[in-house]
Amino acid sequence: DAKTTQPPSMDCAEGRAANLPCNHSTISGNEYVYWYRQIHSQGPQYIIHGLKNNETNEMASLIITEDRKSSTLILPHATLRDTAVYYCIVRALDNDMRFGAGTRLTVKP
Amino acid sequence: GAGVSQTPSNKVTEKGKYVELRCDPISGHTALYWYRQSLGQGPEFLIYFQGTGAADDSGLPNDRFFAVRPEGSVSTLKIQRTERGDSAVYLCASSQARVTEAFFGQGTRLTVV
Repeated sequence: DAKTTQPPSMDCAEGRAANLPCNHSTISGNEYVYWYRQIHSQGPQYIIHGLKNNETNEMASLIITEDRKSSTLILPHATLRDTAVYYCIVRALDNDMRFGAGTRLTVKP
Repeated sequence: GAGVSQTPSNKVTEKGKYVELRCDPISGHTALYWYRQSLGQGPEFLIYFQGTGAADDSGLPNDRFFAVRPEGSVSTLKIQRTERGDSAVYLCASSQARVTEAFFGQGTRLTVV
């Protein structure tokens, strides 16, 4: 059972920032927030993860609220190749990754 | 290898037959996961290996499904008496440790006719 809630779909204009929300109100203190994405017909691809501090890498930024009950994945300059299903996953180190339905992001020219 | 390799990429089998799906993880990765994904849905967890042992097989839907990883590297997912409802993409992933990122293969598309 997924512990996260995500909107089923979102649109974003090419070149703009894409902000993908995720609610995880029942997150435990030892659980991390992970983001993966899945481009059509490919396996999921890791994007970023964090515990409580904001994180940034070459792909995206992860903003986690102070109470850790929600987070936002930010793609700073979305391109057409960022069109994919984005999955927010909450997991502890001794647990497995359970995927929900994700958010289908469509980047439009 | 450079990534997680799954073979075959496509498999068509008749209802009632036995199938084996193979996963070659990234060299040195101790954690290995199997998922299956139906059209329009997120990946569904099946089983997790840490080394040679199945640390969590709670996602296997029934006793027709079984997976092994005898030497802590290659894993085989085995499905007996296949049913049409088993048709899906079966995904394998590996990671160095549980907390690190998991790398997924391209999947095996299983079609039971």
